[in-house]
Amino acid sequence: DAGITQSPRHKVTETGTPVTLRCHQTENHRYMYWYRQDPGHGLRLIHYSYGVKDTDKGEVSDGYSVSRSKTEDFLLTLESATSSQTSVYFCSSRGADPGELFFGEGSRLTVL
Amino acid sequence: AQTVTQSQPEMSVQEAETVTLSCTYDTSESDYYLFWYKQPPSRQMILVIRQEAYKQQNATENRFSVNFQKAAKSFSLKISDSQLGDAAMYFCAYRSARGADGLTFGKGTHLIIQP
Repeated sequence: DAGITQSPRHKVTETGTPVTLRCHQTENHRYMYWYRQDPGHGLRLIHYSYGVKDTDKGEVSDGYSVSRSKTEDFLLTLESATSSQTSVYFCSSRGADPGELFFGEGSRLTVL
Repeated sequence: AQTVTQSQPEMSVQEAETVTLSCTYDTSESDYYLFWYKQPPSRQMILVIRQEAYKQQNATENRFSVNFQKAAKSFSLKISDSQLGDAAMYFCAYRSARGADGLTFGKGTHLIIQP
């Protein structure tokens, strides 16, 4: 969707290394979300933010942290990556309309 | 917690035919949104259709329509005149109308279009 970009789009890393994924939106949306997608599981919510410095845990938050120092940026950090965190990660955002959500193009992370 | 169930891991339909994808959900809330997303091999998440729970009328978008049964907590997607470009994973999703919660997704249905 227009206005949301994720970086990097692809990353291969080794077990135990830190990884940060970035989500950047230009829509001035208040709410932002990180999901992971694995075969057989659909998308599952990791963390979300409802404003600058305001974040909360989702369904699968263990091993992940997030930060939001600016409205437009929402960072997802894996402090010490594990092979179970190999996945495709999606960022999403929304404004005041609770039914209108926008997705980034996804970031594929492989942890060896 | 809300749950979304898609009971058909895979569906196959002949081109130009009609196919219905099933979705059921569980919630204690009365005000919420339901969505169908399409994910082609490019993995882009594309909104197909959305339904507000307070609206009794079923949403339609061109060849796509839903059958929303609030009491039964059912939200099926009908695709008419199926086209090769409809082949993709389809995800049903739910979110509350209140608060900052994200989406709860089903596990998806892989739709195959037979030429």
